[in-house]
Amino acid sequence: GQQVMQIPQYQHVQEGEDFTTYCNSSTTLSNIQWYKQRPGGHPVFLIQLVKSGEVKKQKRLTFQFGEAKKNSSLHITATQTTDVGTYFCAGIDNFNKFYFGSGTKLNVKP
Amino acid sequence: EAQVTQNPRYLITVTGKKLTVTCSQNMNHEYMSWYRQDPGLGLRQIYYSMNVEVTDKGDVPEGYKVSRKEKRNFPLILESPSPNQTSLYFCASSLRGGFYEQYFGPGTRLTVT
Repeated sequence: GQQVMQIPQYQHVQEGEDFTTYCNSSTTLSNIQWYKQRPGGHPVFLIQLVKSGEVKKQKRLTFQFGEAKKNSSLHITATQTTDVGTYFCAGIDNFNKFYFGSGTKLNVKP
Repeated sequence: EAQVTQNPRYLITVTGKKLTVTCSQNMNHEYMSWYRQDPGLGLRQIYYSMNVEVTDKGDVPEGYKVSRKEKRNFPLILESPSPNQTSLYFCASSLRGGFYEQYFGPGTRLTVT
């Protein structure tokens, strides 16, 4: 069946360092969404990418969607302690089914 | 306030005792979905509904039932819970399917002994 793999599983960084998480799908996706989950909380939507090769920025966060619409990445520049949490990608197929990656847990040391 | 609510938030039950977790949204969303979250596995979609009376299986539907009789409600039913259904469950809704952001409920932590 369809799978979305996400790496790394954990990332520990010093405040001010950069962070990247990667997602790779076994099949072509219709679109991809990114979510952030704070410890003890629920996932919160960050952004959606739809077009092949799309790049979107939100302040220090940069999101990319691969040319083949099978992979995506989230890059955070100069992490802050407020960035702590687990970041999930969610690939969506043509039938509106969601396939979440396993998440990358980010810890930021002040 | 626009929100997705789930009840109960915590539940401890025994194997085989039927239970229902309710989910309700007040945003007039057409799409609703149930996920389970397990360590190292991320969120896995159990069932989703594109609109009233329309439901489809997600990735892990075995052992679960859903119904969508009204737009705002999407209950998750475990007819005969087993210990491997111990998990954190999230309900989510979006305006109209996979091209819209999903709003998640606060989660229901279920333990089956």
